[in-house]
Amino acid sequence: DGGITQSPKYLFRKEGQNVTLSCEQNLNHDAMYWYRQDPGQGLRLIYYSQIVNDFQKGDIAEGYSVSREKKESFPLTVTSAQKNPTAFYLCASQRRREPNTEAFFGQGTRLTVV
Amino acid sequence: KNQVEQSPQSLIILEGKNCTLQCNYTVSPFSNLRWYKQDTGRGPVSLTIMTFSENTKSNGRYTATLDADTKQSSLHITASQLSDSASYICVVSPNYGGSQGNLIFGKGTKLSVKP
Repeated sequence: DGGITQSPKYLFRKEGQNVTLSCEQNLNHDAMYWYRQDPGQGLRLIYYSQIVNDFQKGDIAEGYSVSREKKESFPLTVTSAQKNPTAFYLCASQRRREPNTEAFFGQGTRLTVV
Repeated sequence: KNQVEQSPQSLIILEGKNCTLQCNYTVSPFSNLRWYKQDTGRGPVSLTIMTFSENTKSNGRYTATLDADTKQSSLHITASQLSDSASYICVVSPNYGGSQGNLIFGKGTKLSVKP
């Protein structure tokens, strides 16, 4: 089946730890995105990548890092510099970063700081 | 600031009834307006996508309308089912400068369908 797979579904982080969220797609899409969703808030863009080995900061990139070494994979690292990391994280992809192309989302990773 | 505002924030209806969700936006110019359905704890799934020149688009029991003059969109759900219980998110894609390809999300309307 084609789609986007995020793992793990649930993740617990201790204070001061870095954690990495996985996002893999087999849709052959060039563009990939990471969003953060908080209760009662709209999705906010963390990072996006339009092509392998290139990525750009979104609106709330501080405390996060990404890599795009392969077309299929766009992992997100939540660093200890992110002061309030507890949230629902969504990965998305598009064939290209163009206005009228469909965006597909993964099932999300819920990160909780313990 | 470009914004997407949705109303109501939450809505409870009885199974079988119709409902309409509203979306007002200030994004201008824009390329398209989308409606997504998000089940609790899951990723959003696309329902409709309309360009600025389209007035209406249907997907089964879901019908979206768009009035680009008043910058309003609505999502009408017909003969609701329990499985329609979810959050419905309005998303607008700008069409200017470096923002092309961006998606601006509303906060969503949480719909609960009761038996």
